[in-house]
Amino acid sequence: EVQVVESGGGLEQPGRSLRLSCAASGFNFHVFAMSWVRQAPGKGLEWISLIRSRPYGGTTEYAASVRGRFTISRDDSKSIAYLQMNSLKTEDTAVYYCATGAWPLEDWGQGTLVTVSS
Amino acid sequence: QSVLSQPPSESGTPGQRVTISCSGSNSNIGSKNVYWYQQLPGTAPKVLIQRNDQRPSGVPERFSGSKSGTSAALAISGLRSEDEADYYCAAWDDSLSGPLFGTGTKVTVL
Repeated sequence: EVQVVESGGGLEQPGRSLRLSCAASGFNFHVFAMSWVRQAPGKGLEWISLIRSRPYGGTTEYAASVRGRFTISRDDSKSIAYLQMNSLKTEDTAVYYCATGAWPLEDWGQGTLVTVSS
Repeated sequence: QSVLSQPPSESGTPGQRVTISCSGSNSNIGSKNVYWYQQLPGTAPKVLIQRNDQRPSGVPERFSGSKSGTSAALAISGLRSEDEADYYCAAWDDSLSGPLFGTGTKVTVL
């Protein structure tokens, strides 16, 4: 059974940093892309980043709203994907979901809440 | 900037048919497969329809998807109370180089 578990969310001040983790199991992590999607309170879904698997170059993509501030990475030895979030803004407040694949996004975690506020 | 437009809300009584529209462009729906996600309150989204009109195993037959040109639609037949949820269309977008989600539709069962 595929399992995806996010962690690392919490309350942080504007301008500070936070790193989210996404622990995956139940599938061959190293051959799958991984993605992050966020959902602001009461709002819709917004894709923010993906990282392809090493066989596909391990390349990354970012939404314009986070490009230059967020960095996605992966540790295939631990089956974990990361999202390093720098220069946080209040508008980054959201539930952050990790999901398997680049497209479609098939298996999702339960999400981790990030609140950016002074 | 690419957008997939959906009506904010739809509603119906139990047993009725509800249809949710999704309007995009050539960089997404017009050239790519459409997926529909269902998000029940307080939970993560799950795939409801894949590749325009295909139901993953376990999804009831009363959910159906269609696509024509740069638009898509999700139909729910025989509406049930457990169908109260938010529904999102989605497609890969070449301009975004990533997946684009629709604006979302909240379905209420009266």
